[in-house]
Amino acid sequence: EAGVTQFPSHSVIEKGQTVTLRCDPISGHDNLYWYRRVMGKEIKFLLHFVKESKQDESGMPNNRFLAERTGGTYSTLKVQPAELEDSGVYFCASSRSGNYGYTFGSGTRLTVV
Amino acid sequence: AQTVTQSQPEMSVQEAETVTLSCTYDTSESDYYLFWYKQPPSRQMILVIRQEAYKQQNATENRFSVNFQKAAKSFSLKISDSQLGDAAMYFCARSFSGAGSYQLTFGKGTKLSVIP
Repeated sequence: EAGVTQFPSHSVIEKGQTVTLRCDPISGHDNLYWYRRVMGKEIKFLLHFVKESKQDESGMPNNRFLAERTGGTYSTLKVQPAELEDSGVYFCASSRSGNYGYTFGSGTRLTVV
Repeated sequence: AQTVTQSQPEMSVQEAETVTLSCTYDTSESDYYLFWYKQPPSRQMILVIRQEAYKQQNATENRFSVNFQKAAKSFSLKISDSQLGDAAMYFCARSFSGAGSYQLTFGKGTKLSVIP
């Protein structure tokens, strides 16, 4: 089966601009997660979708971040307006159900200058 | 805050030797899961091994095994017969069943180098 796909793989934007990251989960995986790793720090949970619904968005840092999952398929994470501290690697992961570990994508490296 | 601690930022091992990566965690839950993920350079994270906290038997996957000490909240990863392809960042993670979410809490990672 195809893995979790994220694009772009890299994005460099200026402070104040908008960026949209996309994640295509494995087909049939109802659960989709977004995580972020800021340089030198731990990977942090952002939010969790079950199909098209937000199950848990407790990790979203502020209202500049907007996540959507259209029809329970792919997901987008929009940052508007981007700030310097938003730089990092954004990971998407998906799973069928339960607590069995996820399949991660390769990540999007976002640099805000 | 419930945390996961990996005290070794970097480690190295000779090819064919054995290395142990340490991980401790904090949790107030009695039922949870622990994971080790591997991220090779410029590649995606892959699941190496998974341990269910209610199982006392240590998980094993080929050359990878864990030493799970529930009372001590310790979850170390042992890699036997190390290979060049084992060079990667290794992340320890614990699941947290908040809001039915099964979100993961990660450690900062250990960078493992394998010396030929």
